[in-house]
Amino acid sequence: RKEVEQDPGPFNVPEGATVAFNCTYSNSASQSFFWYRQDCRKEPKLLMSVYSSGNEDGRFTAQLNRASQYISLLIRDSKLSDSATYLCVVRGTDYKLSFGAGTTVTVRA
Amino acid sequence: SAVISQKPSRDICQRGTSLTIQCQVDSQVTMMFWYRQQPGQSLTLIATANQGSEATYESGFVIDKFPISRPNLTFSTLTVSNMSPEDSSIYLCSVLAGGPNEQFFGPGTRLTVL
Repeated sequence: RKEVEQDPGPFNVPEGATVAFNCTYSNSASQSFFWYRQDCRKEPKLLMSVYSSGNEDGRFTAQLNRASQYISLLIRDSKLSDSATYLCVVRGTDYKLSFGAGTTVTVRA
Repeated sequence: SAVISQKPSRDICQRGTSLTIQCQVDSQVTMMFWYRQQPGQSLTLIATANQGSEATYESGFVIDKFPISRPNLTFSTLTVSNMSPEDSSIYLCSVLAGGPNEQFFGPGTRLTVL
């Protein structure tokens, strides 16, 4: 079983729509959780950390459910520039990151 | 934040040869990592580059195939040895900087092995 599993998508949404997707992780001892964004042929960049209480950063909302071991990301009022692959990332106690395979989002005009 | 550069940005190599990738960071960092991203897949950790000692390799990766140097806190190299087409991938350097949750990635080295 993979450490981090994501719905690969793709999610094709019109501008202004809301899109949400999840990932699940297998290691209950995982300590930190993140969403990274990766544009085509670019390196991953941190989008946001995910906290147990849930957190927002502008149009982006992340949720963590430790009991069910899943993480979600919601994007409101989608922009064309939100088109990317979103990587669910989990860290254990040793600073090593485990990456999901990514969820592809395409926002169309 | 940390600014990371990698050389080369891309290369096309013949099977059986070796390529050394350099990673330079604009500030001293404690932890540096090397990742691989194979076509259409997500990132896999190859090893943690330790300053002044041997790198710590993940399962499936060995020093003979991927020797790593870390002579100081701002620089590391990864060598892909005796390459085969299966080594065609993007290799990324990554560092922890600015805080325990701040992990940054270099632009990657796109390697194609013929």
